[in-house]
Amino acid sequence: DADVTQTPRNRITKTGKRIMLECSQTKGHDRMYWYRQDPGLGLRLIYYSFDVKDINKGEISDGYSVSRQAQAKFSLSLESAIPNQTALYFCATSPGLATDTQYFGPGTRLTVL
Amino acid sequence: GDSVTQMEGPVTLSEEAFLTINCTYTATGYPSLFWYVQYPGEGLQLLLKATKADDKGSNKGFEATYRKETTSFHLEKGSVQVSDSAVYFCALSDQGSSYKLIFGSGTRLLVRP
Repeated sequence: DADVTQTPRNRITKTGKRIMLECSQTKGHDRMYWYRQDPGLGLRLIYYSFDVKDINKGEISDGYSVSRQAQAKFSLSLESAIPNQTALYFCATSPGLATDTQYFGPGTRLTVL
Repeated sequence: GDSVTQMEGPVTLSEEAFLTINCTYTATGYPSLFWYVQYPGEGLQLLLKATKADDKGSNKGFEATYRKETTSFHLEKGSVQVSDSAVYFCALSDQGSSYKLIFGSGTRLLVRP
């Protein structure tokens, strides 16, 4: 079984709809992250959480919200989706040190029409 | 703020050719440096890392040396294979970035038989 899972893997929705992307991990890591990938822009950080009670905005948090339901679960919501939120979204986890590897999920491809 | 710059792709090589993908960084402190690889349809996975100056990270025939004097972390491989075709991301993690990963824009490598 994969250590970091994301659901759904693909989603097509319409402008104005509310969307939730879910991430679960079995690695026992405290830190979890949501990134967005756009062609030619690399990955940009949307939100990150260092533990259940510590949630922080990343560089592109506008239009997004998150919920850390448990150590193992971190959800990303788009309250009112818009077409420029069409992208590939990745969840990642890490143990918590600067030298640590981040472990990525397989990604969710979101299309907003 | 912290940033990572890597060469634009795509890079197209014949099998067994020598590979170099350039990466330079700007950071306020002493970052850890990473190369991640993304194979088609998958999430990112760590390829190698180096945590201090002059360290050499290596994995699967790939190498990169942390050069503080030139603020660089170039990725090299002596003989590429078709299976190395992927997108490669250089990244840093630093106290100045609150230990979050800062990614370059990615370089697509295509290896032809």
